[in-house]
Amino acid sequence: EVQLVESGGGLVQPGGSLRLSCAASGFNFSADYMSWVRQAPGKGLEYVATINQDGREKNYVDSVKGRFTISRDNVKNSLFLQVDNLRAEDTAVYYCARFARGPADWGQGTLVTVSS
Amino acid sequence: EVVMTQSPLSLPVTLGQPASISCRSSQSLVNSDGSTFFTWFHQRPGQSPRRLLYRVSNRDSGVPDRFSGSGSGTDFTLKISRVEAEDVGVYYCMQGTHWPFSFGQGTKLEIK
Repeated sequence: EVQLVESGGGLVQPGGSLRLSCAASGFNFSADYMSWVRQAPGKGLEYVATINQDGREKNYVDSVKGRFTISRDNVKNSLFLQVDNLRAEDTAVYYCARFARGPADWGQGTLVTVSS
Repeated sequence: EVVMTQSPLSLPVTLGQPASISCRSSQSLVNSDGSTFFTWFHQRPGQSPRRLLYRVSNRDSGVPDRFSGSGSGTDFTLKISRVEAEDVGVYYCMQGTHWPFSFGQGTKLEIK
């Protein structure tokens, strides 16, 4: 069974940073693209970033470029999202998802709240 | 950026009746290799999204056959042949052909 477990969310002040993590199991992690997708409270879904199997190819939505960094550790079967210089509009549940072009599996999400 | 437009945004349906959701993209979703990366998701309140159909019409494992997908190019449709109580929630379409990948606004299905 595929499992994706996110952690690392929390309350942070504007301009602050967090490191989100996703522990993956139940599939060959190193063989799949991975993604981060977010959902602001009461809103729809927004793609944030994707990363290819070896971590060399990364894509970001324009609104997070230069502030967010996606990475992975294929030895530890983990996906990460370093989020810096956070803004109020970054407040959302951040989901880790397996695949990029149409995620097959999703974690339960971790909530990031940006507020002073 | 590809804009995905769903209609309707609210869909009240009687149990046992059919339902249909439309999704239109601002650009063709046919990839250079001929693939069409178009996906439907269902999200129940308080839960993570669940993939229903990928590449337009391929049902995921465990998805009832009352769900079907069709379409091509820029126009796509999700059909539920007979709505059941467990089908309530929000349905999202998504394109994975052009970066940044993008979702529709969501269609909220409720039981009349």
